[in-house]
Amino acid sequence: SYELTQPPSVSVSPGQTARITCSADALPKQYASWYQKKPGQAPVLVIYKDNERPSGIPERFSGSSSGTTVTLTISGVQAEDEADYYCQSGDGSGIYPFGGGTKLTVL
Amino acid sequence: DVQLVQSGAEAKKPGESLKISCKTSGYSFSNYWIGWVRQMPGKGLEWMGLIFPGDSFSPYSPSLQGHFTISVDKSITTAYLQWSSLKASDTAMYYCARQNHSWGAFDSWGQGTLVTVSS
Repeated sequence: SYELTQPPSVSVSPGQTARITCSADALPKQYASWYQKKPGQAPVLVIYKDNERPSGIPERFSGSSSGTTVTLTISGVQAEDEADYYCQSGDGSGIYPFGGGTKLTVL
Repeated sequence: DVQLVQSGAEAKKPGESLKISCKTSGYSFSNYWIGWVRQMPGKGLEWMGLIFPGDSFSPYSPSLQGHFTISVDKSITTAYLQWSSLKASDTAMYYCARQNHSWGAFDSWGQGTLVTVSS
């Protein structure tokens, strides 16, 4: 099965840059998406098509892709960015698994 | 305005059946895939499966398939997730979401339905 691997946790101080990686275990890698999930709330799409930002998402959120790894970057992290972040990508057969999730802690 | 509104929380016993719904509005229902996502207590998001309302084609997660069914009623622009025999391990929050299939992203989400299965 197609698996996406994320670090379990990332910690940064306010104003610093947080980088969360997501590695696919095989090619082909389709476009990746990133979601922010806060307790008691539905997930929110923050990046799609590897590096596109939906309307309403702050510019400090950006995405990049290199080989089979995609990265979510949050520049100038704010306290409100503390959440779980999940990557998602397709395996080419219609299956779109999520990564295991990364807990972002703002110190 | 795209909206996905899910049915309310459910409390069931093991072995019972259940069908939860996701009522959509504000877009062309037949042209977008709908997916279901599970979040068990204290765990991460799990992709369960998709359905394309245009032809009801429905790929499921290989690790989860066989225990639930995804369906739609195009006449009322509603998607469903159902179980014929619930297990305690089905206790979770379930989300429906609209997928933009061009890049595979879930761009709009329902508010979630909490399903509790306990004897």
